[in-house]
Amino acid sequence: NAGVTQTPKFRILKIGQSMTLQCTQDMNHNYMYWYRQDPGMGLKLIYYSVGAGITDKGEVPNGYNVSRSTTEDFPLRLELAAPSQTSVYFCASSRIKGDSPLHFGNGTRLTVT
Amino acid sequence: TQLLEQSPQFLSIQEGENLTVYCNSSSVFSSLQWYRQEPGEGPVLLVTVVTGGEVKKLKRLTFQFGDARKDSSLHITAAQTGDTGLYLCAGGGVYNTDKLIFGTGTRLQVFP
Repeated sequence: NAGVTQTPKFRILKIGQSMTLQCTQDMNHNYMYWYRQDPGMGLKLIYYSVGAGITDKGEVPNGYNVSRSTTEDFPLRLELAAPSQTSVYFCASSRIKGDSPLHFGNGTRLTVT
Repeated sequence: TQLLEQSPQFLSIQEGENLTVYCNSSSVFSSLQWYRQEPGEGPVLLVTVVTGGEVKKLKRLTFQFGDARKDSSLHITAAQTGDTGLYLCAGGGVYNTDKLIFGTGTRLQVFP
């Protein structure tokens, strides 16, 4: 049972480059989320989705985009990477409504230089 | 504006000591969750509390939800090195949304 799988684990980008962080879950969860975690801090919500075809902004959406074409996948796109986007990114999913317990992936550590 | 403040931010103790971590807000939450995160991994759920005044025990960990559902505490009895990690509280149902708001985190280091 894989749960929530994120790829890649690590990535270094140059300023202005683009990339997609992949997230897939095999628990048939409707709700999926992207968070970023800066050093020593809690988690800030970037985008979330309540089901296939539906996405919405969280607290810090600027500089990111998402899509949800299937229940399983929720990729996060960075179009023009900036140093302020250096962070650890976590994807999560939940079965029922949005404030039910979250299942997290193991994160992607991104450095923009 | 940080809705959920945790204290202390850092805690370094020896094995066998007791500790309490606090999670405070001026907002009312429908539920409060506690997660533990180890280096290189995502947070893992420890417990969810939903009723004001509720107390839940998980072995040596005791979780309490405030009567007004604005705050929570996590008490660890006789800490072990395996308790080391980042502890995060998360509140749900604030502002009638169905998203979780995470606290600022408490980093616990337990030394042998």
